[in-house]
Amino acid sequence: GIQVEQSPPDLILQEGANSTLRCNFSDSVNNLQWFHQNPWGQLINLFYIPSGTKQNGRLSATTVATERYSLLYISSSQTTDSGVYFCGTSYGKLTFGQGTILTVHP
Amino acid sequence: DGGITQSPKYLFRKEGQNVTLSCEQNLNHDAMYWYRQDPGQGLRLIYYSQIVNDFQKGDIAEGYSVSREKKESFPLTVTSAQKNPTAFYLCASSMPGHKPTDTQYFGPGTRLTVL
Repeated sequence: GIQVEQSPPDLILQEGANSTLRCNFSDSVNNLQWFHQNPWGQLINLFYIPSGTKQNGRLSATTVATERYSLLYISSSQTTDSGVYFCGTSYGKLTFGQGTILTVHP
Repeated sequence: DGGITQSPKYLFRKEGQNVTLSCEQNLNHDAMYWYRQDPGQGLRLIYYSQIVNDFQKGDIAEGYSVSREKKESFPLTVTSAQKNPTAFYLCASSMPGHKPTDTQYFGPGTRLTVL
C-alpha cells in the first residue's frame, strides 16, 4: 500500500512565526487531504488538494503530484493553531501519515 | 445541522465484554469509515462501507465487526477478540466519486478504555 511520511514530527513556534509542514507519499494518488486535530480529538478538514495550490486565510497548501509531496504553510501562527496536523492520501482508501505535533506559544 | 455524530463520547469496558460504538450521519453520504487512533499515532482503517449492505475490511479489522443496514448508520462492535481495544475511535463519511466531496468528514470520536 501507499506509504505516507510527515515531517517534522514535532514543531514548536512562537506566536506570529511561519511554518511549513511536509507530506511525502510513495505512489501515485488521486486524493490528498490535510486535517487539523484539535486538543479534543476532532479532525477538521483543511484542504482537499490532490494537485496545485490552495489558500484559506493564513493557511495554504501545495501538492506536487509528480514529485509525490505536499506542503502545508501556516503564516502568522496563533495559539489556536496548536494540535496535530495529518495528511491523508489515497488511490481509493485514505492512508494517513503519523502527523506533525504543532505547539504555538504566546 | 448536517454532520456526523458519535456516541458515547467516553466508554469503559470490562475485559471480555463486547461493546458497540454508534456513528450516524445526515450528510447523505454513501461511504462511511471507522478508524482507530492510538496515542501519538496516525489513524488506521478498521472497516469501511461504500454502500448500504456492503462493507470491507480495512488494515486492522481483526476483533471488530460492523453492519450497514441504513445509509445514515454504521455501528462498530469491538468484540472480546480484540486484544488491545483501548484507543480513540473515529468515524468518517464521504461521497466517493464526487470530487471534491471525496473529502472525508469526521465525527467527534469515542474514547474507549478497557478496565
